[in-house]
This record gives sequence, structure tokens and C-alpha cells, in this order.
Amino acid sequence: SQTIHQWPATLVQPVGSPLSLECTVEGTSNPNLYWYRQAAGRGLQLLFYSVGIGQISSEVPQNLSASRPQDRQFILSSKKLLLSDSGFYLCAWSILGHEQFFGPGTRLTVL
Amino acid sequence: GQQVMQIPQYQHVQEGEDFTTYCNSSTTLSNIQWYKQRPGGHPVFLIQLVKSGEVKKQKRLTFQFGEAKKNSSLHITATQTTDVGTYFCAENNAGGTSYGKLTFGQGTILTVHP
Repeated sequence: SQTIHQWPATLVQPVGSPLSLECTVEGTSNPNLYWYRQAAGRGLQLLFYSVGIGQISSEVPQNLSASRPQDRQFILSSKKLLLSDSGFYLCAWSILGHEQFFGPGTRLTVL
Repeated sequence: GQQVMQIPQYQHVQEGEDFTTYCNSSTTLSNIQWYKQRPGGHPVFLIQLVKSGEVKKQKRLTFQFGEAKKNSSLHITATQTTDVGTYFCAENNAGGTSYGKLTFGQGTILTVHP
């Protein structure tokens, strides 16, 4: 069966510090991968998606970047965090663009 | 880009009452997916509707896709405390590609009072 992992589960970082969030998927090959941010427990905003290794599409201009160094690994990064980067970050995968399966998420607080 | 409007934002019900959330779009939707997110949790896929006028049921949940494919609804009969959470609709912008980008509605937060 397929599983998706995200870590860390929670993170408190000072403004201006770097960020690296990791997502890995098990039990499937060549998935589409997605990073979302959810603010204040409401709507999900798509940040990045990837259809293959090294292929990243950005949905919104921002302070973040994403990379896919391996087929089932998706990384969200920032060189310098802003207060507005706080939120709940969710990674998801899908096959052929059908239903998406979400990871447990990372709660990021930037102080 | 495509926007999916979801109402109401909040719904408080007594246990046993029914609940409905609605999604609307000004343009034709290719399909609609529904997700549930429990408090503190992550969204979980419930169902996908593709055909005009489609109706699907999952126990006490009934999902409908409008005839014009511009709206959809999720109805819960006789709510239980386990139904609490946020319900999202989302259009899957597959659009002939395999990217599967989802455009989410803002969600409806359901609370159920025992």
C-alpha cells in the first residue's frame, strides 16, 4: 500500500532563517507531487507541483522553492523565512491526476 | 483562473440534524472532488463526480453534480459528532493533461453539538 511521510510535524523558526521540509512517498512510482499551504485552518493554496524528477512548476510567486531530487521525494525550501510563511504545509501525491492523497502536514510558525 | 465558491463558511448543527454544503462555479467544471479534513488533520479524499447530474451516496453522505456541471453539493443526513471537520470541494484541472491540479473551494467548517 502507498504511504506518504512528511517531517517535521511541527517547526518554529525565527524570521530570516532557512527552511527545508521533506516529503516522501512509498509504494508507488512516478507520482505527481504537490505542495500546498493552508493558512488559519481554511482553504488550501497550491504552491508547487511536479510531474517528474527535476520538474517543478510554481503556482504563485513567493519566498519559497521546491525540488524533486528523486522520484518519490519532494522538498520545500526557503533561504530566508518571512512572518507570512507561517502556516500548515501539506504534501500530496496522485497518479495520472486523479484523487490526491495528503501527508500529515507540517505546522510552521515563524516568529 | 477557475474559482470555486463554497458556502456556507460555517455550519453549526445539533446531532441528528442534516447538513449541506454547496460549491458553485461561473464556468463549467470538468469534474468535482470532495475532501474532508478533521480538526488538526489533513484532507482525505471522499469522492469524485464527473458526469452531468451525477448522484453518489456513501452511507449518510449524498454527493450531487449539477446538470450544467457548474455546481455541486454534499448532503449529510442525521449528522453525528464524527462528522465534524472541514469539507472541501475541488475541481481537478486535469484538462487533458495528467497534472491534476486541484482548485479548492474555501471549505465549510461543520461543528456538531451532541
